[in-house]
Amino acid sequence: ILNVEQSPQSLHVQEGDSTNFTCSFPSSNFYALHWYRWETAKSPEALFVMTLNGDEKKKGRISATLNTKEGYSYLYIKGSQPEDSATYLCAFDTGGFKTIFGAGTRLFVKA
Amino acid sequence: SAVISQKPSRDICQRGTSLTIQCQVDSQVTMMFWYRQQPGQSLTLIATANQGSEATYESGFVIDKFPISRPNLTFSTLTVSNMSPEDSSIYLCSVDPIDSGANVLTFGAGSRLTVL
Repeated sequence: ILNVEQSPQSLHVQEGDSTNFTCSFPSSNFYALHWYRWETAKSPEALFVMTLNGDEKKKGRISATLNTKEGYSYLYIKGSQPEDSATYLCAFDTGGFKTIFGAGTRLFVKA
Repeated sequence: SAVISQKPSRDICQRGTSLTIQCQVDSQVTMMFWYRQQPGQSLTLIATANQGSEATYESGFVIDKFPISRPNLTFSTLTVSNMSPEDSSIYLCSVDPIDSGANVLTFGAGSRLTVL
């Protein structure tokens, strides 16, 4: 059984704080690692897809790194804003149209 | 990217009843995916729906409990049958709109079901 673990489960930060979360995944059968952002009552939205060991992706204040050899990815948010409050999901992709999601990290940013 | 309309957005259902969730995509897609997120759990794939063939169910999910229709390339339904409180979840449909092979999914906004 393939397991994807995310930590922490939830996180409360103040506006302006920088923060990061972890996604751990199997180091075998790797095809891609996805990060999604899911705001309450909205659709999950793709942030990054990462395929190569050592990949770093950035979108505004959000960035992510990937280590496929040891099976982890970090998501960083610099200078958190209240609108960053959401659940951040990572998903391990073995190819073949099957994506295995973690339970998510729920971020609360207080103004 | 594709836009997905999913309904209902939420519902409160009685034990033993069934509810059908509809998913409409604004472009033609080969595969549509149905996911469930139970409280505190991961998004879990229920089944993959292809037009013109029976859906492919993941381990732990069966057609009698979660019948799926896929009448054309833009529409699908998932029925949650004979509901129990354990079926209280968020159900999401999703697609890979560009069939890129990169499996970057576009999701509907979800259907939050509460079963009493």
